Amino acid sequence: GENVEQHPSTLSVQEGDSAVIKCTYSDSASNYFPWYKQELGKRPQLIIDIRSNVGEKKDQRIAVTLNKTAKHFSLHITETQPEDSAVYFCAVNDSWGKLQFGAGTQVVVTP
Amino acid sequence: GAVVSQHPSWVICKSGTSVKIECRSLDFQATTMFWYRQFPKQSLMLMATSNEGSKATYEQGVEKDKFLINHASLTLSTLTVTSAHPEDSSFYICSARSGESGNTIYFGEGSWLTVV
Repeated sequence: GENVEQHPSTLSVQEGDSAVIKCTYSDSASNYFPWYKQELGKRPQLIIDIRSNVGEKKDQRIAVTLNKTAKHFSLHITETQPEDSAVYFCAVNDSWGKLQFGAGTQVVVTP
Repeated sequence: GAVVSQHPSWVICKSGTSVKIECRSLDFQATTMFWYRQFPKQSLMLMATSNEGSKATYEQGVEKDKFLINHASLTLSTLTVTSAHPEDSSFYICSARSGESGNTIYFGEGSWLTVV
């Protein structure tokens, strides 16, 4: 089955700096790679996603890059703000179309 | 985006009783819904895939007879935790795939279950 690894588990950044979270996966047939932001006690919110026919996608301060050959993808947050503090999860659809999640990254943005 | 509603948002039950959680897709039809469980400070673990009109498929290690899933319509899936025990206390989240949004998956609000 699909194996998704996410690093780092925690990330502390100063406000205004950039944050990068990386995920690797094992199933070369996977073709959908979303990123979710989850605040304590709430549902995961889709913040950006990318499909395998695209190498990079950007939405304001958030970007995702995908390297299908190496089977890894990354989330980039620029100009971080305190409200970016949350847990971020990468996910990958497996060959059955089910989303498998990474372990999560706790991001703390300090003013 | 598409809306997925989950009810109840939190529930407390006595050990040995059963609890039902509902997941509804409000503005789209979902032939497939997914149920996840999330323990504190952990990731979302897929429990089962709910298929409209057919039996759910369970992930390895998830007890079918304990976590009953029914997907009787294109907008509703239910998860029943039978004979609940304190170790079943967790955050249960459903999700549904919206074909209208390029197969993007949307999550319900989640349900906090506490078994005492």
